Amino acid sequence: AQSVTQPDIHITVSEGASLELRCNYSYGATPYLFWYVQSPGQGLQLLLKYFSGDTLVQGIKGFEAEFKRSQSSFNLRKPSVHWSDAAEYFCAVGAEDSNSGYALNFGKGTSLLVTP
Amino acid sequence: ETGVTQTPRHLVMGMTNKKSLKCEQHLGHNAMYWYKQSAKKPLELMFVYSLEERVENNSVPSRFSPECPNSSHLFLHLHTLQPEDSALYLCASSQRAGLEHHNEQFFGPGTRLTVL
Repeated sequence: AQSVTQPDIHITVSEGASLELRCNYSYGATPYLFWYVQSPGQGLQLLLKYFSGDTLVQGIKGFEAEFKRSQSSFNLRKPSVHWSDAAEYFCAVGAEDSNSGYALNFGKGTSLLVTP
Repeated sequence: ETGVTQTPRHLVMGMTNKKSLKCEQHLGHNAMYWYKQSAKKPLELMFVYSLEERVENNSVPSRFSPECPNSSHLFLHLHTLQPEDSALYLCASSQRAGLEHHNEQFFGPGTRLTVL
């Protein structure tokens, strides 16, 4: 069965520290990979996406993610976290051979808290 | 108004009420989506419309009835809901439907629904 796992429900980092949010997926085919961020009371905003090509993807707000096929991972990173980065982060995966050509499977999310 | 808007932002209803959620996109997109976001659960795709035609119904109970009168508007009609239907309902749009088109989905802020 296709699945997306975000192992960390909550993460706390100090402002200025580096950040890595984990995402693992289970798919038979080449996946399409996304990271979204959701601030309180807001919808989801796309940070970055991977479809093919360079496995290191640059996104908005200084985020990047690396697709590692051997580890079935697509971890999100940021070298220096700002207080405004506190939010819920969702990893999402889709695949061409999925039952639905439209569906993204979302992880349960990781809540990021940034301390002074 | 820009992007994807949703009204109302908050809704409280009894199990015998009939209400509707409204979504409007100002992006010139041709595909629109309804998602359900429940606490501690991944986002669930409910419906997909492409060029005003429903192309996906993800085993959603009939007490949820979508309507897409044109490519800019999407409604979710609700009746005889259950308390477990309480959730954040998110609308999204994309240029075209289908992951193979490398679409980014733009999300609205959601409607927080509470069923008493």
